[in-house]
Parts: sequence; C-alpha cells; structure tokens
Amino acid sequence: AQSVTQLDSQVPVFEEAPVELRCNYSSSVSVYLFWYVQYPNQGLQLLLKYLSGSTLVKGINGFEAEFNKSQTSFHLRKPSVHISDTAEYFCAVSQNTGGFKTIFGAGTRLFVKA
Amino acid sequence: DTGVSQNPRHKITKRGQNVTFRCDPISEHNRLYWYRQTLGQGPEFLTYFQNEAQLEKSRLLSDRFSAERPKGSFSTLEIQRTEQGDSAMYLCASSLSGVGSYEQYFGPGTRLTVT
Repeated sequence: AQSVTQLDSQVPVFEEAPVELRCNYSSSVSVYLFWYVQYPNQGLQLLLKYLSGSTLVKGINGFEAEFNKSQTSFHLRKPSVHISDTAEYFCAVSQNTGGFKTIFGAGTRLFVKA
Repeated sequence: DTGVSQNPRHKITKRGQNVTFRCDPISEHNRLYWYRQTLGQGPEFLTYFQNEAQLEKSRLLSDRFSAERPKGSFSTLEIQRTEQGDSAMYLCASSLSGVGSYEQYFGPGTRLTVT
C-alpha cells in the first residue's frame, strides 16, 4: 500500500520569495508521483508528474519538483511566487502498473502575501 | 474538448434523503474515477470504471453508495439515506487506459451538504 505525507499544512510566503512544499511517500513498489493544484471552488489541475528518467521535473506556472528515491521525497519548488499561486497543493502517488488509483496527501495551503 | 463536467455543483439535502450526482468525462477517456474530499483533506479514492465495468471499490464506499456507468460514457453516484458524515466534495476524474492512464483530469466537483 502507498501513502503520502505532506509535511506542512500551511505555508505563508511573501510575493517574489522562493517556496518549497514538502512531500514524502511510502510504497513497496515503483510509483508515479504527481503534484496537483486546487484553486477555490475548482477541481484539481495537474502541475507536474514524475514517471521515469530525469529526477528534476518541470511543470506549469514555473513550478518544478525533484524526485529523490533514497529519501522517498518529491518536493515542489518555485523560485519566485506570485499572489495568484495562492491555492491548495496536493502531492499524489500511484502504482506504475497502470496508475488506476491515486493516493493523495492531505494538502498544503500556500498563502502568498503582498 | 470541454473537460470533465459534474452536476449539480452544489446540493443541500436533509438527512435521510437520497441524492444522485452525474459526471461527464472527457469523451475519449474510457476510465472514470470517483473521489471524496472532506475539508482539510486530500481526495480519497471511492471507485473507478473502465468503460462500463466497475473494477474497484474502496472500503469507504458503504452499502448506501452506488455508482454506475451504464454505457461507458457518463457516470452517476447515488447516496441513499444520506447522513451528516456524507457532507463532502465529490470529485470525478477521467483518464485514458494504457499509455497515459496515469494522468487523471478532474471535474469541478459536487459539494454535498447534509443538514
């Protein structure tokens, strides 16, 4: 069975500052890893995904994440945040045998202050 | 491609009533998933379909919950005899199968409030 732990429930940050949202996972099999963003009253939107290959993954809106197998982590980063990045961010994992079921973390609320 | 749509967006019902939600996936996607999201939590998997076949159900899906996808296109999720604990956002997602099945596209959700 897989599980996902997002280490921070809330992250306040000033506009144009860098940010890192932390995610650790556990799994007995190889997995795919994802970050989703959810804006208020909207569904989830895929930010980026790690399937295989390069451990540094670039996504939309200037976000990137690094897969670290030894530390079972998949932290999300952005060098300079904007007010519009204020949202809930979810780390997720699914088995790489078809990926039909995705396990989500509890989410990290990113709050960007002016 | 209009994305995944869900109706209604909001539903308020009294305890004990039955409710039904609808999800229309992206047209070429043959996999469809239902999740439940409560306040402050990530989505929790409920069930998924490949075409019209329901292939897995979570233990979260009690006997009061039933999902169908009769023609392999839209899906419905019914909750019978609703309880206050059923209050949540119900999310639908769809994907391709095989290559690309790892990427799920989510609808905006149906927010259920049971009073």
